[in-house]
Formats: sequence, structure tokens, C-alpha cells
Amino acid sequence: VQLVESGGGVVQPGRSLRLSCATSGFTFTNYALHWVRQAPGKGLEWVAFISYDGEKKYYADSVKGRFTISRDISRNTVSLQMNTLTPEDTATYYCAREGCSSATCRAELSPVDFWGQGTLVTVSS
Amino acid sequence: IVLTQSPGNLSVSPGETVTLSCRASQSVSSLDIAWYQQRPGQAPKILMYDTSVRPTGIPDKFDGSGSGTDFTLTISRLEPEDFAVYFCQHYGDSVTFGGGTKVEVK
Repeated sequence: VQLVESGGGVVQPGRSLRLSCATSGFTFTNYALHWVRQAPGKGLEWVAFISYDGEKKYYADSVKGRFTISRDISRNTVSLQMNTLTPEDTATYYCAREGCSSATCRAELSPVDFWGQGTLVTVSS
Repeated sequence: IVLTQSPGNLSVSPGETVTLSCRASQSVSSLDIAWYQQRPGQAPKILMYDTSVRPTGIPDKFDGSGSGTDFTLTISRLEPEDFAVYFCQHYGDSVTFGGGTKVEVK
């Protein structure tokens, strides 16, 4: 199982950025995925969730209305479109796979077992 | 759900046992608590889910327990690779992380 994030960088406040997470080593359409971020020197903050079939999407209040999660089954990729960025969005963004498949998950949101290495987003003028 | 972890920092010697606390702002199902370890410069790694279930490959020196609002992670016989930051997580119907406990060498 591999998850590889890309798309991070330095962006000015108010601008947009799109992160991608390329996945491999598992059946993409069987697993839900999350984005989790970590500001420099801080703790983990959950950002967004997309169900295995893309039908359900949930967001943290801090990003609701600004961020959009999506998945592309043709490329086994999950993306995070981030609009109207603020300095408070500065963080390393991780994509992560839930540890249970669509056939075995007990709950709608489950713990994650595989993480990418993260991509750093810096929002600064 | 807000998760409060304590202490924020813990200084211990190798070989010792530590107990980390995670308190939820309201009662949660014991099936909805996980713990992660994060070493410097690395992504988090899951240690425990459903409060007390260890994923394959996680040694039994890690032990999770708790119910209601109070959950703990006990780490026995601390080794150099165990000095890290530990986060608890609530999942199920929403996702939140605790602020973390840093376990450092005394």
C-alpha cells in the first residue's frame, strides 16, 4: 500500500491550491480516504473524508465551504481542492486510507492504517 | 467531541512504563477510540483501535483501555524507538484528534 501526496507549496492568502494523493497497492474503490493536516510543531487536525464510492464527503468546520475532496477511480487518486487559503491553513497535509474496506467497516468513519509522507502547504504573502 | 490528552509532555527513562490519558468531552463508544504514534519527521502510525485492539505487527507492550470519557494507552518497557508523540483519535460519527502527548527521554 502506498499513498503519495503532491501539490504542496507556497501560496498567497486568498489563493487556491490543489493537492493530489496517488494511491497504489490496494483496491481503490473499496476504501474510504481522509485528509489530515498538521501545522508546524502542532498536533493532528482532521480535514476531510470521502467514502469508498465518493458518495459521502465530510469536512472539518474550519475548512467547510472552502475545501473540496474528490476521488478519481481512473487514476486511483484522491484530491483536495483548497480555496480562499489563509495563513491558518499552513500545514503538512497527509492523505490516509481507512483500515477497513467497504465490506468490513463497522462505522461510517474508521481509523486509518496507511498514511502518505505528507505535502507541505505554506500560506504566506 | 473534544479530546484532551494529558500530560502534554512526559520525561521518562528507557525501560520504564508510562500511561497516557485521553479524556473525551462526552461519553463515547469504546469502539470509537484509536491511538497513533508519530516519530519526528514521520507520518503517524496506528497503534490501537476500538480502544484496545492492536493492529497486526504492534507489540503487546502497547496496551489500550478505557470507557465512557476516559481512555488510556500504557507503554511498557520503553525503548528508544518509543520516544515519540502519541495522539488519541475519536471516530465513528465524527473525527477528532487529541492534542498529543510527547514522551521524551529523561
